[in-house]
Amino acid sequence: GDSVTQMEGPVTLSEEAFLTINCTYTATGYPSLFWYVQYPGEGLQLLLKATKADDKGSNKGFEATYRKETTSFHLEKGSVQVSDSAVYFCALSDLGGTALIFGKGTTLSVSS
Amino acid sequence: DGGITQSPKYLFRKEGQNVTLSCEQNLNHDAMYWYRQDPGQGLRLIYYSQIVNDFQKGDIAEGYSVSREKKESFPLTVTSAQKNPTAFYLCASGDWDSLEAFFGQGTRLTVV
Repeated sequence: GDSVTQMEGPVTLSEEAFLTINCTYTATGYPSLFWYVQYPGEGLQLLLKATKADDKGSNKGFEATYRKETTSFHLEKGSVQVSDSAVYFCALSDLGGTALIFGKGTTLSVSS
Repeated sequence: DGGITQSPKYLFRKEGQNVTLSCEQNLNHDAMYWYRQDPGQGLRLIYYSQIVNDFQKGDIAEGYSVSREKKESFPLTVTSAQKNPTAFYLCASGDWDSLEAFFGQGTRLTVV
């Protein structure tokens, strides 16, 4: 079945460092891809999305490009802030709609 | 305010008891979902419903039950058959147009 694999955490960075969180997927069709963020004790919020190959999703300085040839959707940010500390989930859509299949999450900790 | 409301935020249950988690949405979404979150395991799909009076099992439905009598509501019952119910439960609803899932704030269930 469809699946998502993302890099193990935690990722620990200093403020203003460059961030990459790797995400690869396995899917039989042409899924949409998402990055969600979860702050402590809260639900998930959509960070960005891409619905077809070569699309780039972007939001709040974060970017990810849908790469069909490498089945990847890596999350990047040029300069992280302490407020970016959270758990980041890569996900793909399945079941013909919005039921999401998630990766295991990557915890990001940014120190000042 | 538009959104998804889960209640209660914290719930304690004695072993052998059934408990129902509430999820209400006023986003007019047809699709609703229940996920379970455990440390290091990401989110796993319990049940989903794409329309009123219809629902399907997800990956880990054993020991859970749901109903979808109204578009706005999708309660989850954790039964005594669920062997390891302590977890963080997240409800979401889906937008077919944007392919985005909107999450509630979650319910943390602890079996005591």
